[in-house]
Amino acid sequence: QKEVEQNSGPLSVPEGAIASLNCTYSDRGSQSFFWYRQYSGKSPELIMFIYSNGDKEDGRFTAQLNKASQYVSLLIRDSQPSDSATYLCAVGVTNRDDKIIFGKGTRLHILP
Amino acid sequence: DADVTQTPRNRITKTGKRIMLECSQTKGHDRMYWYRQDPGLGLQLIYYSFDVKDINKGEISDGYSVSRQAQAKFSLSLESAIPNQTALYFCATSESSEGRIDTQYFGPGTRLTVL
Repeated sequence: QKEVEQNSGPLSVPEGAIASLNCTYSDRGSQSFFWYRQYSGKSPELIMFIYSNGDKEDGRFTAQLNKASQYVSLLIRDSQPSDSATYLCAVGVTNRDDKIIFGKGTRLHILP
Repeated sequence: DADVTQTPRNRITKTGKRIMLECSQTKGHDRMYWYRQDPGLGLQLIYYSFDVKDINKGEISDGYSVSRQAQAKFSLSLESAIPNQTALYFCATSESSEGRIDTQYFGPGTRLTVL
């Protein structure tokens, strides 16, 4: 079983709509969860982090964590063409040498 | 100025050559990491260092070595480059917090091509 799993996409969403990106993880001891955005050929950039169950909002972005279901998601409201990128889900476990495990990413395409 | 810098940004080299990629940070973080990224394979951890005297192998360390010259500097070497080491290489840094994994901040990357 893959440790951090994401649908590779591409996920196509009309401009102005809500984009929903999903991620599942296998290690129940996971404690830290991150969403990164990566444009082609560029470095990953942190969008949000979340440590506790529930929702966390920052501007147009909302991260949702459900530890019981081992599921974390990212919602992007009022999607813009500039949101077109690959979104990486990352999970950290302190008993795994404090490493972060990255998913392979979901490609998001916002349709103008 | 960028908090995490990498040099060179692009490098083309030949099989068998020794290559060094350098990473510097001004964030004051103790922890530094080297990743490679290949299309469709995601980020793979090569080496990581929690302080100057603590260096650890990641999942794909074969063919690579590292040096942590100071808290702010972490270099990655390819002793004898081979074509399948052609990839995008990223350095990252993070703080160390008790009981929690902190955010990793990435440098701009080095695109390495081995002919």
